Amino acid sequence: GNSVTQMEGPVTLSEEAFLTINCTYTATGYPSLFWYVQYPGEGLQLLLKATKADDKGSNKGFEATYRKETTSFHLEKGSVQVSDSAVYFCALTSGYSTLTFGKGTMLLVSP
Amino acid sequence: EPEVTQTPSHQVTQMGQEVILRCVPISNHLYFYWYRQILGQKVEFLVSFYNNEISEKSEIFDDQFSVERPDGSNFTLKIRSTKLEDSAMYFCASSGTAGVNQPQHFGDGTRLSIL
Repeated sequence: GNSVTQMEGPVTLSEEAFLTINCTYTATGYPSLFWYVQYPGEGLQLLLKATKADDKGSNKGFEATYRKETTSFHLEKGSVQVSDSAVYFCALTSGYSTLTFGKGTMLLVSP
Repeated sequence: EPEVTQTPSHQVTQMGQEVILRCVPISNHLYFYWYRQILGQKVEFLVSFYNNEISEKSEIFDDQFSVERPDGSNFTLKIRSTKLEDSAMYFCASSGTAGVNQPQHFGDGTRLSIL
């Protein structure tokens, strides 16, 4: 079956630091990959996506590249802000549109 | 921007009672979903719904659960006889089509607490 593994949190950074949140997956077929973000007290919002190998998804300064050879989709941002503090979920869909999520990684950014 | 709205934001219910969680999907969307997240655990798929019937469900979605689209706007999740382990955050989502070109849009969730 499909599964997503994310690095354990919380990830604690100072403002303007470089961010990496690791995500690896197992899936049947050719999955599409997503990062969702959940700000405090809010629902899940799509941050970025990639639908095939070597695609790079990007949004709001965040990037992730679909690496089929390493089955990874790591989230990166060059310079984080306090407002980026949230929980980040890696997810995939394969075949049908049902999403399989990772456990989520909390990011805490201090001024 | 259109949103998925869920009510209530927090529901407290005695064990064994029935509970109905409500969702209003985005108006022109056709596919509807329920997910749940037990505290500290993964977001898990429960059920998807299209054309007035369940299109897919997980093993979590047993006979205690049901979904309904009673009118043109609401999409509900009913838990018939709640158990302590049903305590979780429940998310509703909708999308215009199945597949990746129109990703799922999520509501803010209903926190269900079973006492």
